[in-house]
Amino acid sequence: GIQVEQSPPDLILQEGANSTLRCNFSDSVNNLQWFHQNPWGQLINLFYIPSGTKQNGRLSATTVATERYSLLYISSSQTTDSGVYFCAGGGFKTIFGAGTRLFVKA
Amino acid sequence: DGGITQSPKYLFRKEGQNVTLSCEQNLNHDAMYWYRQDPGQGLRLIYYSQIVNDFQKGDIAEGYSVSREKKESFPLTVTSAQKNPTAFYLCASSIRDRGTDTQYFGPGTRLTVL
Repeated sequence: GIQVEQSPPDLILQEGANSTLRCNFSDSVNNLQWFHQNPWGQLINLFYIPSGTKQNGRLSATTVATERYSLLYISSSQTTDSGVYFCAGGGFKTIFGAGTRLFVKA
Repeated sequence: DGGITQSPKYLFRKEGQNVTLSCEQNLNHDAMYWYRQDPGQGLRLIYYSQIVNDFQKGDIAEGYSVSREKKESFPLTVTSAQKNPTAFYLCASSIRDRGTDTQYFGPGTRLTVL
């Protein structure tokens, strides 16, 4: 089956810093999505981005489907950005990566 | 308010007992999903349902069962055959809308087997 690899596994930032999270897929996928899981376990969908670039406030995402990777950019990070970021794809049989654990220090 | 609800939030059970986790959505979504998350791990798909009265196994369906009798409801039963049931269980739903298939998640149920 499809493998999803996320990097880095852990990230510590000072408030105000920028970061890039990466997601690699072993095969082409559709329905690529990025999620944020807060410390209480709630998952929020950030982007549905099978290809191209999208922006939402301080967050943006780019997927290069032909090269099987996606990037999530966080600019001017805030403490509320802390949590785990997951990428996922594959249609109904969705495959999730192991996540990037982000901690933003005040 | 539209959304996905899961109950209970915390659940404790004795080994050998079956337990049913509730998932309800009022988003009018056709598809619903159950995932399991272990500490420090990503989510793994247990079952999914594209439409009422139909459901398919995911990657880790053994020891679990589901039903989809109503569009709004997709309960998950964790049976005594599931060897390591202690985990965080998440329910999601989605609708294909203008070419997107975004999944929306409930708050989850934390199951502990004593």
